[in-house]
Amino acid sequence: DAKTTQPTSMDCAEGRAANLPCNHSTISGNEYVYWYRQIHSQGPQYIIHGLKNNETNEMASLIITEDRKSSTLILPHATLRDTAVYYCIGPFTGANNLFFGTGTRLTVIP
Amino acid sequence: NAGVMQNPRHLVRRRGQEARLRCSPMKGHSHVYWYRQLPEEGLKFMVYLQKENIIDESGMPKERFSAEFPKEGPSILRIQQVVRGDSAAYFCASSPMGAITYEQYFGPGTRLTVT
Repeated sequence: DAKTTQPTSMDCAEGRAANLPCNHSTISGNEYVYWYRQIHSQGPQYIIHGLKNNETNEMASLIITEDRKSSTLILPHATLRDTAVYYCIGPFTGANNLFFGTGTRLTVIP
Repeated sequence: NAGVMQNPRHLVRRRGQEARLRCSPMKGHSHVYWYRQLPEEGLKFMVYLQKENIIDESGMPKERFSAEFPKEGPSILRIQQVVRGDSAAYFCASSPMGAITYEQYFGPGTRLTVT
């Protein structure tokens, strides 16, 4: 499985942008980066994915570096409900499943 | 459009009993994945199924665990002769296209407690 590296934990003030980094230095050219989050004890929730271009949806933005070795998930205006473990993950190519690491525990502080 | 449904949400079994966990995928989804999450750990892939076929069971323990996804009805994860180490949250996910996309939709999980 391709390896991703994320900080163990982060804090963010409510209303501010939360920037969650991920290193995926072994990613190959046709492998996507996926982001999921897991709010306490619930099933993981898909957030966003990307290949090489930056992506944005109603939940977040994903910035991928030009060399594709790292990416940043941006929650533009964090709320208390965004407190969760965020996983930067990938299959990657050839696998049928999502490989979850330990993720980043984001705590949004009032 | 109902999401992925799992039942029961909580299951208590004594050592040696059987546990049956059910998963109904989202409407229109024909691919199902099972994951296990031990306390304070990330999810670990167990098995990937399409209707009537097991596609990838590389994460399944070799003994006591089995999974099926029949033509009609939910997917079933079956654990025979449960042991305390089987206590975990079991999550099911579904997707419409399987290996082409990894946008998977997860259910709320079944929490198995073995006493």
